[in-house]
Amino acid sequence: GQNIDQPTEMTATEGAIVQINCTYQTSGFNGLFWYQQHAGEAPTFLSYNVLDGLEEKGRFSSFLSRSKGYSYLLLKELQMKDSASYLCAVMDSNYQLIWGAGTKLIIKP
Amino acid sequence: IAGITQAPTSQILAAGRRMTLRCTQDMRHNAMYWYRQDLGLGLRLIHYSNTAGTTGKGEVPDGYSVSRANTDDFPLTLASAVPSQTSVYFCASTASGGTGELFFGEGSRLTVL
Repeated sequence: GQNIDQPTEMTATEGAIVQINCTYQTSGFNGLFWYQQHAGEAPTFLSYNVLDGLEEKGRFSSFLSRSKGYSYLLLKELQMKDSASYLCAVMDSNYQLIWGAGTKLIIKP
Repeated sequence: IAGITQAPTSQILAAGRRMTLRCTQDMRHNAMYWYRQDLGLGLRLIHYSNTAGTTGKGEVPDGYSVSRANTDDFPLTLASAVPSQTSVYFCASTASGGTGELFFGEGSRLTVL
């Protein structure tokens, strides 16, 4: 079956760096997405990786290793507003998105 | 304001009643989707439509139906609601040929008693 694994919850300190991991097993691969979802709100797009390597976008970076079925989202200079759930999703060979359950990130002052 | 609009934002419904969740987008996106989100689970695809006039079943289609009469509208109907359909429902759309980035509506919180 298809599976996306990510930690359920993480805690970090304001101003620090946190890495949220995602491992996947899917039938085919057509890209990996990270979305941010604040409590009670809709998910919003953060990043898309289809080739191996690091994609940097401001304070957020996303890394992909297709051979290892692994990605991470790196958040730098954490701010209180970064408290949210972070969803990892993989597009399979049928171009359907398979979603992880999300990682709830708690930022403490 | 461009985007996706869902209605209602919240609804309490008696079991056995019929309910339609509305979704409208003004971005002229071809593909539209309905997801449900439950605590501890990832987003699960209910139904999708790749273009106006076509629909397809997702991971959890039972008890739900959709229609796509035009590009903008993609309503989701629960013919006879059951308590297990209590969830938050998100409508989403994407432009064909893009990276697949999804744009989501604000969600509809449905409680079936």
